[in-house]
Amino acid sequence: AQSVTQLDSHVSVSEGTPVLLRCNYSSSYSPSLFWYVQHPNKGLQLLLKYTSAATLVKGINGFEAEFKKSETSFHLTKPSAHMSDAAEYFCVALDKIIFGKGTRLHILP
Amino acid sequence: DAGVIQSPRHEVTEMGQEVTLRCKPISGHNSLFWYRQTMMRGLELLIYFNNNVPIDDSGMPEDRFSAKMPNASFSTLKIQPSEPRDSAVYFCASSLSGYEQYFGPGTRLTVT
Repeated sequence: AQSVTQLDSHVSVSEGTPVLLRCNYSSSYSPSLFWYVQHPNKGLQLLLKYTSAATLVKGINGFEAEFKKSETSFHLTKPSAHMSDAAEYFCVALDKIIFGKGTRLHILP
Repeated sequence: DAGVIQSPRHEVTEMGQEVTLRCKPISGHNSLFWYRQTMMRGLELLIYFNNNVPIDDSGMPEDRFSAKMPNASFSTLKIQPSEPRDSAVYFCASSLSGYEQYFGPGTRLTVT
């Protein structure tokens, strides 16, 4: 069965340092994978998507993610965190509409 | 485009009352999804429609919940009778052919 696992429920980084949010998937094929961000009291906003074209995907707000089939991973990264990045992030496989449990990102001043 | 529109944004009701949540998808999108988000259970897919037809309602908690999509530009999620454990944020999302989904701002439901 297809599944999406976000390895960390909370991640804290200092402003200006790199961000890494981890996501692993299990599937018998290469799924379409997405990252969404949810700011407090807001709906979910699409950050980026992987659809079997380029394995390195660039999204909005300086985020990017790399699809690694050998590791079944789709980790989200950003070189330098900003205070406005504090939010909850969801890794999603939309073929079967499977959401990860979410990772709450905290940015320390 | 105005994006996905949900109404009301906040709803407070008493246990036993009927609650109706409304959603207007993005024009041209043919798939519509209803989600529920709580601290305990996270984000749960309740039901989704394709071309106004319910495709998968396995996430609907029980018979108290019902959803309709009478046309391509409108959907409702109804809870009757409502219970305190239904308190959550309900999101509607739409997409073109089930691809990337665009979410509405949500309806925060409080049942007292």
